[in-house]
Amino acid sequence: DQQVKQNSPSLSVQEGRISILNCDYTNSMFDYFLWYKKYPAEGPTFLISISSIKDKNEDGRFTVFLNKSAKHLSLHIVPSQPGDSAVYFCAATGNTPLVFGKGTRLSVIA
Amino acid sequence: GAGVSQTPSNKVTEKGKYVELRCDPISGHTALYWYRQSLGQGPEFLIYFQGTGAADDSGLPNDRFFAVRPEGSVSTLKIQRTERGDSAVYLCASSDLRLTSGVNEQFFGPGTRLTVL
Repeated sequence: DQQVKQNSPSLSVQEGRISILNCDYTNSMFDYFLWYKKYPAEGPTFLISISSIKDKNEDGRFTVFLNKSAKHLSLHIVPSQPGDSAVYFCAATGNTPLVFGKGTRLSVIA
Repeated sequence: GAGVSQTPSNKVTEKGKYVELRCDPISGHTALYWYRQSLGQGPEFLIYFQGTGAADDSGLPNDRFFAVRPEGSVSTLKIQRTERGDSAVYLCASSDLRLTSGVNEQFFGPGTRLTVL
């Protein structure tokens, strides 16, 4: 049973527009959420995180929103750039090992 | 090097053989993690070391899998009697849990792609 779900396997966005990647979780004990970005043949790299005591965290072009009541978070990238094309993983923890979603492949089209 | 390194980058073996996968974490990082990523899936936790000891090995799928970190730095993941279902990318990550920021940012290596024929 998947505790962290990324229901969109892929997403295509035009350069300069907003990319929105979604993630849902089922375990109410999760209190920290992270987004990782992965290029082919490389390991995942940390992008941005959010604690459950916040509902928004922003870092440059990247913003993560958390809706605890809906057990939903989203990553917004604006403006999207071709270099953002990668697989994005949502991960969650609650004093437990990180639990990852299956990932969403983002393609930013020039 | 500054990052996490893993060797070999690719390993092809035959069913029933024994394999060892190596991880060199970032120097000074006290925590080390092993994950397995199958095709179309996200990384799946296997085992976590704090120093030399395995703090959590609840993700190891069965007793054919074993990992060590004898000196608190380099770690080796060992798989006995490999099966075709073991084929995956094995990822290693390290983090510095001494940081007080509360962010357990894990730094991943590039992974070892294991193929069991």
